Amino acid sequence: DSGVTQTPKHLITATGQRVTLRCSPRSGDLSVYWYQQSLDQGLQFLIQYYNGEERAKGNILERFSAQQFPDLHSELNLSSLELGDSALYFCASSSRLAGGTDTQYFGPGTRLTVL
Amino acid sequence: AQTVTQSQPEMSVQEAETVTLSCTYDTSESNYYLFWYKQPPSRQMILVIRQEAYKQQNATENRFSVNFQKAAKSFSLKISDSQLGDTAMYFCAFMSIISGGFKTIFGAGTRLFVKA
Repeated sequence: DSGVTQTPKHLITATGQRVTLRCSPRSGDLSVYWYQQSLDQGLQFLIQYYNGEERAKGNILERFSAQQFPDLHSELNLSSLELGDSALYFCASSSRLAGGTDTQYFGPGTRLTVL
Repeated sequence: AQTVTQSQPEMSVQEAETVTLSCTYDTSESNYYLFWYKQPPSRQMILVIRQEAYKQQNATENRFSVNFQKAAKSFSLKISDSQLGDTAMYFCAFMSIISGGFKTIFGAGTRLFVKA
């Protein structure tokens, strides 16, 4: 158990809908990262937040957005869902922002299926 | 742009033997971090080992060790005394610092089967 929790574990929805994935980082970790793992595109970095602020952005679609709240939990919002958005979405957390080694601890993931 | 290449889609090894998984990367940066992650059938991502680019000494964690060749941009993982529980997908990852944050790029993965 990494200490990172993600809810829900599974989500099934229809095209065009909007969903919210939730992540609670390990106690004391200020950084939260979101990743998408799909069959055709592999593991892709989406976005990083540190103490409520966006710090790094990867291949995140405009239909996707994220935020980190004062209690440090984070939410990933996916809207206008398409079939291709079906994937396993991971959240990871770490203690550092930059400088030195930053080890990320991954949550169990949320499996999103878009029908 | 950085890229990470794992040229072996699948590998198999006999239990108790040694296997090496290869990874190469491309970057113009001098300061970065490299990782190997393991993803068993449960799909949980588990950190196996990490290496800071500024360290010349190769990282070792119990049965896992790396061969880090910075000039060649190579970062291979050696698993000694392979165990059935090592059966998993292994991902090589490159982490760089961008705009005060971290960005990680993963390779496509190598599926490792450990045979009894």
